[in-house]
Amino acid sequence: EAGVTQFPSHSVIEKGQTVTLRCDPISGHDNLYWYRRVMGKEIKFLLHFVKESKQDESGMPNNRFLAERTGGTYSTLKVQPAELEDSGVYFCASSPRRLAGRTDTQYFGPGTRLTVL
Amino acid sequence: EDKVVQSPLSLVVHEGDTVTLNCSYEVTNFRSLLWYKQEKKAPTFLFMLTSSGIEKKSGRLSSILDKKELSSILNITATQTGDSAIYLCAVEAYSGAGSYQLTFGKGTKLSVIP
Repeated sequence: EAGVTQFPSHSVIEKGQTVTLRCDPISGHDNLYWYRRVMGKEIKFLLHFVKESKQDESGMPNNRFLAERTGGTYSTLKVQPAELEDSGVYFCASSPRRLAGRTDTQYFGPGTRLTVL
Repeated sequence: EDKVVQSPLSLVVHEGDTVTLNCSYEVTNFRSLLWYKQEKKAPTFLFMLTSSGIEKKSGRLSSILDKKELSSILNITATQTGDSAIYLCAVEAYSGAGSYQLTFGKGTKLSVIP
């Protein structure tokens, strides 16, 4: 079974440019999460999709970040325009459909390292 | 705000040593505590703990949760160089926005030298 994949592995852009990160979850996983790790800090939650719907986007830093999951399969996270403080590693995770009262493990992708110059 | 603190931040040991990594948390609406191992890229799942006092084991690794003390430990016995990694502790809690979120600690960087 293929794991969570992310593209690209590393992106270097200039301040003010736009970048789109992609995440392909494990096939059949309804839940998709985005996280970010800024240098020296802990991994922080950004948002959670259930299929194509945004279940929780309370962690999104500001309106320069736009996440989509059309069709409930892969997801994209666009940063427009990018700022210096957006640099970090962006992780994606997925988990199966959550049943009532049950906790499902989140499986992580390798991350995309974003460097904004 | 939910908070997870791991200690130590960094640890260097020799092969064969036994190590204990600590994780403490302050969260509302706790659901579970998870340990991940991050070597180069993706954090890989180790354990999920939901009940206090029940040890989970996988080979040389074991972990236990203490809900009274709001903490967990991860033990690695007879360490090997392949155990070198960042060990992440995360707590799953209901966010109040219809979702369960993971709050991570900064991780413990373990280096095992021959």
